[in-house]
Amino acid sequence: DTAVSQTPKYLVTQMGNDKSIKCEQNLGHDTMYWYKQDSKKFLKIMFSYNNKELIINETVPNRFSPKSPDKAHLNLHINSLELGDSAVYFCASRGVGDEQFFGPGTRLTVL
Amino acid sequence: AQSVTQLGSHVSVSEGALVLLRCNYSSSVPPYLFWYVQYPNQGLQLLLKYTTGATLVKGINGFEAEFKKSETSFHLTKPSAHMSDAAEYFCAVSGPARDMRFGAGTRLTVKP
Repeated sequence: DTAVSQTPKYLVTQMGNDKSIKCEQNLGHDTMYWYKQDSKKFLKIMFSYNNKELIINETVPNRFSPKSPDKAHLNLHINSLELGDSAVYFCASRGVGDEQFFGPGTRLTVL
Repeated sequence: AQSVTQLGSHVSVSEGALVLLRCNYSSSVPPYLFWYVQYPNQGLQLLLKYTTGATLVKGINGFEAEFKKSETSFHLTKPSAHMSDAAEYFCAVSGPARDMRFGAGTRLTVKP
């Protein structure tokens, strides 16, 4: 059983398009996150949700909008995609002792 | 606010040699500290973590780390490197808001 899953694994799209990435966790955790990993492997937190409520919203363009329909799902919608949005996006959920469990990542390429 | 600094963006060792990856942290409260490993084209996997108690923490794949409060360090070691250890390693700290801040990562290369 996959603990944290993301779809799609790869996403190639044109500038200006709108796209979504889906994340689901089956660990029963209350808190989920979105991270962006750039080409230099730097990991930056974008959003955190606790039981469907937004907790952390780092300095992220408002073209990025997270949506949490229930505590097992945290989706990321991106409007008007730009070249600089190309990165790997990771979803994670937080367990006991603050340990985070990561999904496999979604590699977004904006052309 | 909490933060971590990983010393050395790239470490290269020979197979069988000692692995030492350095991490220093800054935190306004007693920290929870973590090491994660990322293999190519994969997500992050937890190697080990320190929360409270014993300062020498053992993790998976033969790795261990020691929490040294006086030095604000949490260095990762493995006595004998294996080819399969080649990956990107991230140190992270969790603070009062329970969000995690990652270091910039250290790429470990293992030479045959």
